[in-house]
Amino acid sequence: SQTIHQWPATLVQPVGSPLSLECTVEGTSNPNLYWYRQAAGRGLQLLFYSVGIGQISSEVPQNLSASRPQDRQFILSSKKLLLSDSGFYLCAWSAWAGAYEQYFGPGTRLTVT
Amino acid sequence: GIQVEQSPPDLILQEGANSTLRCNFSDSVNNLQWFHQNPWGQLINLFYIPSGTKQNGRLSATTVATERYSLLYISSSQTTDSGVYFCAVEQADKLIFGTGTRLQVFP
Repeated sequence: SQTIHQWPATLVQPVGSPLSLECTVEGTSNPNLYWYRQAAGRGLQLLFYSVGIGQISSEVPQNLSASRPQDRQFILSSKKLLLSDSGFYLCAWSAWAGAYEQYFGPGTRLTVT
Repeated sequence: GIQVEQSPPDLILQEGANSTLRCNFSDSVNNLQWFHQNPWGQLINLFYIPSGTKQNGRLSATTVATERYSLLYISSSQTTDSGVYFCAVEQADKLIFGTGTRLQVFP
């Protein structure tokens, strides 16, 4: 069966510091991968999605970037964090199995101080 | 872009009560998913339902794609049903989320 991992689970970082969040998927090949952010407990916003290695689409211009160095690895990064980057970051995957149902990881709660 | 609206925004129930959550969307969609976000933030898949009706235990969902809405029914609610319920519609391989319904079930 497929599983999705995210780490770290929680993170407290000062303003101006770099960021690296990692997401890996097991049990599937060539998945679509997604990064979402949720602020204030409601409303998920799609940040980036990828349909293959090295293929990244950005939905919202911002202080963040994403990379996909391997088929089942998706990384969210920032060179310098802003206070507004605080939030709950969720990674998701989907793969064709008659439909593209998305499944979410456990999330990373980021607080920028 | 497509708009996804959920109602009601908040719902308070006593254990054992039934409820109906609604999701309206403004354009044709390929698919629709319902999720439950538990108090720890985990998003749990409830239904993948582009059209028709599905049931899973005390939960069922109906999507009428031609009229652009979906309903989630929760029967005999339990305290573990508490959390936020999201619908999300798919366009061009991307999910667009509604703002959610926050459900609190009290014993």
